[in-house]
Amino acid sequence: NAGVTQTPKFRVLKTGQSMTLLCAQDMNHEYMYWYRQDPGMGLRLIHYSVGEGTTAKGEVPDGYNVSRLKKQNFLLGLESAAPSQTSVYFCASKNVGLALENAGELFFGEGSRLTVL
Amino acid sequence: GQNIDQPTEMTATEGAIVQINCTYQTSGFNGLFWYQQHAGEAPTFLSYNVLDGLEEKGRFSSFLSRSKGYSYLLLKELQMKDSASYLCAVMDSNYQLIWGAGTKLIIKP
Repeated sequence: NAGVTQTPKFRVLKTGQSMTLLCAQDMNHEYMYWYRQDPGMGLRLIHYSVGEGTTAKGEVPDGYNVSRLKKQNFLLGLESAAPSQTSVYFCASKNVGLALENAGELFFGEGSRLTVL
Repeated sequence: GQNIDQPTEMTATEGAIVQINCTYQTSGFNGLFWYQQHAGEAPTFLSYNVLDGLEEKGRFSSFLSRSKGYSYLLLKELQMKDSASYLCAVMDSNYQLIWGAGTKLIIKP
């Protein structure tokens, strides 16, 4: 009954350090997403994947990289962290169904709160 | 550009009714979605509208007018547990979700 699991949940980095956020889903979903959520702004899409081995850029991809080597995992990497990347990061997944409603029903992880000093 | 507007914050009384509005301007439209997000938690799916009119789900209803680029979420018989942020999102012509900043709903006893 895990759904979407993100690790770590909290992390503090210094400017210039690197790190990887891991997202794992056990629902056999094809599509996976990484969003960031900042105060006063809507969720913004960083990168997404429509299947194992594929990735694509979203609205705010600069400074981030992703990999989807296994269907159940979607990794978000920060190569050289900057204070502007301080945010709450959400991973989400969805099923590929025939109904349009399924196209917008995302299942989210609990979030990873990242602070860059 | 693409834009979704919703009020930043609203306050209502336990047991009352509240309406949260959402207006949108997007490139294409493939449905409007409402999500609930409790503080410090993940968003969870509430409702979906693609045709004009009202969709009812228990205490929650969602309305859509495509010609006006307008939706609202109606919450009846408010409970303290309804204190949360409510996110409006529109699926555009590329089937990507465009998100509003959310409306923080505060319920007072």
